[in-house]
Amino acid sequence: EAGVAQSPRYKIIEKRQSVAFWCNPISGHATLYWYQQILGQGPKLLIQFQNNGVVDDSQLPKDRFSAERLKGVDSTLKIQPAKLEDSAVYLCASNMEGTQYFGPGTRLLVL
Amino acid sequence: GNSVTQMEGPVTLSEEAFLTINCTYTATGYPSLFWYVQYPGEGLQLLLKATKADDKGSNKGFEATYRKETTSFHLEKGSVQVSDSAVYFCALGLGANSKLTFGKGITLSVRP
Repeated sequence: EAGVAQSPRYKIIEKRQSVAFWCNPISGHATLYWYQQILGQGPKLLIQFQNNGVVDDSQLPKDRFSAERLKGVDSTLKIQPAKLEDSAVYLCASNMEGTQYFGPGTRLLVL
Repeated sequence: GNSVTQMEGPVTLSEEAFLTINCTYTATGYPSLFWYVQYPGEGLQLLLKATKADDKGSNKGFEATYRKETTSFHLEKGSVQVSDSAVYFCALGLGANSKLTFGKGITLSVRP
């Protein structure tokens, strides 16, 4: 069974630029999550989808972050404009039977 | 609110030493508890989990027991290997599809 796929793996941008991350969850997993992991900390939820609907986006900085999950499969997370403090690893996960499976993450560096 | 507290790190052990990593939690409700491991350059991998009090999760020689009375889920391994060097995260979830709340993680280094 293929795991959660993410791309790109690494991205370097300058502040005020925009960036987008892509996630393809495990086939058949209805619930998808985006987490932000800042260096030295545990991951924190940004947004949770159930199929193509948003379940929880209370911690998403909506003035600069947006996410969508069209057709309830793939998802994209966008940052526009980026700030220095957005430097982090962005993890995508999907859920089956109470267990979350994580992708390899996208490491973002904002200069 | 919900939170997870892990012992401060990093931890450095010699191969074949005994490992304990402490984890305590605060939750409104009855959470499921998880240990995830993150190897260098990789994403999080589920190591083990427990869904109710007194359950013991185990995998690859690691064990953790869900202790409701002490709100703890300490990770143990009797004999660590160099290949166990990684970052370990304790986490809780409330409900089958809920988000996970993670601790800060602890870096384990095992020297030959």
